[in-house]
Amino acid sequence: QKEVEQNSGPLSVPEGAIASLNCTYSDRGSQSFFWYRQYSGKSPELIMSIYSNGDKEDGRFTAQLNKASQYVSLLIRDSQPSDSATYLCASNNAGNMLTFGGGTRLMVKP
Amino acid sequence: DADVTQTPRNRITKTGKRIMLECSQTKGHDRMYWYRQDPGLGLRLIYYSFDVKDINKGEISDGYSVSRQAQAKFSLSLESAIPNQTALYFCATSDPDGPPETQYFGPGTRLLVL
Repeated sequence: QKEVEQNSGPLSVPEGAIASLNCTYSDRGSQSFFWYRQYSGKSPELIMSIYSNGDKEDGRFTAQLNKASQYVSLLIRDSQPSDSATYLCASNNAGNMLTFGGGTRLMVKP
Repeated sequence: DADVTQTPRNRITKTGKRIMLECSQTKGHDRMYWYRQDPGLGLRLIYYSFDVKDINKGEISDGYSVSRQAQAKFSLSLESAIPNQTALYFCATSDPDGPPETQYFGPGTRLLVL
């Protein structure tokens, strides 16, 4: 069983809508969680990190963490076509290495 | 110039061949990583190195070996390539004085094993 799970999508939203990306993890020892954005054919780029329960906002992005439910989410407000990409959720594990989910493909339609 | 570079960017090889993928960085980071990415499986860690004398196996090291020639260079070898090693390979670095999660990725090497 994969330690970090994501729906592979594609998740399709209209331009201007809120995109909601979800991730669950199995290792209760994980303390830190990350969202990477990966455009097609490109390398992953870190866009958000979150360490404590609750919400963390950065511009149009909000990361949400619920450790009791072992659930992490990323909200993208006012979605733009340029947000179309694969979003990878990751958690740290023993030894402080990153474990990645399979990614969710987001499509924002004009 | 890019901070993390990978060569080659694309490679086609045949089953049984030995190949090497190279990674160089100018970020001055001690920590370097090799990942492979397959559709729907995210990134999986092959090997990592926290300094020149430190090499560690990751989640999927079988069939691979690495060499840390210098702080700036970390090479990945496939001793005898097989078709299921067809994948996108990424090198990454991170700053030992910063959160280890802030990993900086190279552009990737697309490998096809026939």
